Amino acid sequence: DSGVTQTPKHLITATGQRVTLRCSPRSGDLSVYWYQQSLDQGLQFLIQYYNGEERAKGNILERFSAQQFPDLHSELNLSSLELGDSALYFCASSVGSSGGYTGELFFGEGSRLTVL
Amino acid sequence: AQTVTQSQPEMSVQEAETVTLSCTYDTSENNYYLFWYKQPPSRQMILVIRQEAYKQQNATENRFSVNFQKAAKSFSLKISDSQLGDTAMYFCAFPNYGGSQGNLIFGKGTKLSVKP
Repeated sequence: DSGVTQTPKHLITATGQRVTLRCSPRSGDLSVYWYQQSLDQGLQFLIQYYNGEERAKGNILERFSAQQFPDLHSELNLSSLELGDSALYFCASSVGSSGGYTGELFFGEGSRLTVL
Repeated sequence: AQTVTQSQPEMSVQEAETVTLSCTYDTSENNYYLFWYKQPPSRQMILVIRQEAYKQQNATENRFSVNFQKAAKSFSLKISDSQLGDTAMYFCAFPNYGGSQGNLIFGKGTKLSVKP
């Protein structure tokens, strides 16, 4: 158990809809990262938050947005969904500070999104 | 820009034998971390081993060890006494120092099958 919690584990929805994925980081971790893994593909970095503020953006579509709340949990919002958005979405967390930085990311179990 | 390359999309090995997965990377950094993550059929991302570039000694974790060649920018993973439970996708990962601290860049992965 990595200590990172993601909900829901599975989600099936239709094209054009909007969904929200939720992530609770490990206790004490300030950074949250979102990754997308399409079928048989590697992990693509979407976005990072550190202590409530956006820190870095990767290949995140404009239809997607995220935020990190004061209690450090994060949500990834996916809107106007398309068939190609079907993927496994991972949340990961890390200490995110230079003092405790080890480079390791701790991953949740992922949210599998299916768009029909 | 940092890049991570895994040149072996798929590999197979007989149970109890040894297999080596390759990874090369490109960076201008001098001190950094390198990681191997495992993704079994359950899809959970699990850290296998971590190497710190300033350490000359290759990291070892039980049956897993690395061959880190800093000058060649090579970071291979050796699995000894392969077990059926080692069947998984293996990803080499490197921190994106060009972006924010902590974001990992993943290779495309090597699918390892351990055969009885």
